[in-house]
Amino acid sequence: KQEVTQIPAALSVPEGENLVLNCSFTDSAIYNLQWFRQDPGKGLTSLLLIQSSQREQTSGRLNASLDKSSGRSTLYIAASQPGDSATYLCAVREAGANNLFFGTGTRLTVIP
Amino acid sequence: DTGVSQNPRHKITKRGQNVTFRCDPISEHNRLYWYRQTLGQGPEFLTYFQNEAQLEKSRLLSDRFSAERPKGSFSTLEIQRTEQGDSAMYLCASSLVGPHEQYFGPGTRLTVT
Repeated sequence: KQEVTQIPAALSVPEGENLVLNCSFTDSAIYNLQWFRQDPGKGLTSLLLIQSSQREQTSGRLNASLDKSSGRSTLYIAASQPGDSATYLCAVREAGANNLFFGTGTRLTVIP
Repeated sequence: DTGVSQNPRHKITKRGQNVTFRCDPISEHNRLYWYRQTLGQGPEFLTYFQNEAQLEKSRLLSDRFSAERPKGSFSTLEIQRTEQGDSAMYLCASSLVGPHEQYFGPGTRLTVT
């Protein structure tokens, strides 16, 4: 069964810092990987989708990379802002499947 | 289009009662998914539909749970004889067929007392 791990579980940084969130998955036969943001008590907002054939995707201050063979993805956030404070979730869609397997998330706090 | 919507947003019920949640997907999306999320955990897959056909159910979906998507548009998730362990956030998502993003709704938070 696919297992998705996110480290660290929580992270506090001062405003303006660049940071990296990590995601690892056990089965490299994936279709794609999606990063989400979740604010407390809310639903998930999709940030970036990386297909298995891609190495990275960028959207504004966010850059996600994928190394499928080693089972790893990173989410890089540049010039962090207090509004970036949220839980960030990584989710993997396996090849031949349609549902997502989620990690438990990294709770990010950006201190003004 | 305003995205995926879910109703109600919050539901408090007593153990043993039945509850029903509704999800309205993004209009052109033919796939619809249900997930459950407990505190401090990532969402876990329950079931998904392609149009009106329910194509997959996880082992988490006990026989007290039933989901429908009668006309391939909105979907309902019913939980019969609720238990305290059913307390969770129930999330709905939709997507197009193929290698596309899943878009999530705001969720329905269920509390069973």
